[in-house]
Amino acid sequence: EIVMTQSPATLSVSPGETATLSCRASQSVSSNLAWYQQKPGQAPRLLIYGASTRATGIPARFSGSGSGTEFTLTISSLQSEDFAVYSCQHYNYWPPTTFGQGTKVEI
Amino acid sequence: EVQLVESGGGLVKPGGSLRLSCAASGFTLSYYNMNWVRQAPGKGLQWVSYISTSSDYIYYADSAKGRFTISRDNAKNSLYLQMNGLRAEDTALYYCARSGYCSGSSCYSDYWGQGTLVTVSS
Repeated sequence: EIVMTQSPATLSVSPGETATLSCRASQSVSSNLAWYQQKPGQAPRLLIYGASTRATGIPARFSGSGSGTEFTLTISSLQSEDFAVYSCQHYNYWPPTTFGQGTKVEI
Repeated sequence: EVQLVESGGGLVKPGGSLRLSCAASGFTLSYYNMNWVRQAPGKGLQWVSYISTSSDYIYYADSAKGRFTISRDNAKNSLYLQMNGLRAEDTALYYCARSGYCSGSSCYSDYWGQGTLVTVSS
């Protein structure tokens, strides 16, 4: 199993600031990496796939980068609606997909 | 508008069974691979099972093998998860998720339902 490790577990930021979230894979997943946003009581929402491609309707303030084992999600000019839990997921061919434990972005 | 609506969750005793359903609308289910993903209370997301468009390829997480069965009825726009031999550790919110790109059986999901809660307790 590929272990996805996210850091930090909690990130405290202020509106308008930039948040940088990290995701590390225990072995290379190429660019087969997705990021999701999840708010309390809501389903996950796809933000990024292919490590850096924004999903439909995702604002440009969300950007993803990285390949191999190190990935970053950057949220610029944080808005109130961006405070949530963010999870990464690898979807490399094998072993089967796994998710990180999430980073909570809070005020 | 793409919608996925899960149902069938509930409270069940250890060793019991449940059948989860997912009703899809707003898109043609037969064009998409589908997954079940679960989330235990306060925990991260965990992939459970994958089914290809025509049910030709089916995969399970080790935790689900031999106990869970995924299926679909494209004519009814529905996805199912039959869960037998339930354990306390199966307690979670179960999501139906539409696959975006898949590398083998590993997919990211571009749309998710709101989930149905399964609680296994005596």
